[in-house]
Amino acid sequence: EPEVTQTPSHQVTQMGQEVILRCVPISNHLYFYWYRQILGQKVEFLVSFYNNEISEKSEIFDDQFSVERPDGSNFTLKIRSTKLEDSAMYFCASSIHYEQYFGPGTRLTVT
Amino acid sequence: SQQGEEDPQALSIQEGENATMNCSYKTSINNLQWYRQNSGRGLVHLILIRSNEREKHSGRLRVTLDTSKKSSSLLITASRAADTASYFCATDSIIQGAQKLVFGQGTRLTINP
Repeated sequence: EPEVTQTPSHQVTQMGQEVILRCVPISNHLYFYWYRQILGQKVEFLVSFYNNEISEKSEIFDDQFSVERPDGSNFTLKIRSTKLEDSAMYFCASSIHYEQYFGPGTRLTVT
Repeated sequence: SQQGEEDPQALSIQEGENATMNCSYKTSINNLQWYRQNSGRGLVHLILIRSNEREKHSGRLRVTLDTSKKSSSLLITASRAADTASYFCATDSIIQGAQKLVFGQGTRLTINP
């Protein structure tokens, strides 16, 4: 069964560094998303992406964040200058219609 | 803003019993989805119920939706130890054809052998 994959599974970075989280959505899906979950908290929407542009972004998704679909398969989330509070699980998801399928997540630890 | 809130926050039952989790939300929705998350892992899609549906089944799962009360319930019948996980409801808001999910805090379900 097709699934969303994410790399790396765990990323440790120092405050102020740039990180790129990678996702390979399910191949025939059209909509792509990033969510994050701070430890012990709710899963929060960050951004949705369709037709090579951002459809919607949350308040969390400020100028330090960007997304890209550089080729036909990868979907990336870049955090330009990481802060301690960016430490969280980051989930990529994709969908054709309403049902969103999530990847296993990347645990980002900012020290 | 619409927001799914699950109840109870934690539920512990014996294997073989049924588990019921509830979700309430605040605004109109298009669909409501339930997800499972094992500790430290990703979200697994369980079931989607549309706003014009009242009940849906999938294996041992039964979901109901009451749009007048803005609530949904997830019933897991004949629970198994492997059902131990956190369960989240997520409501949607469709913006420009894309769909933003809003998750609740989740119910932590523990099945005791």
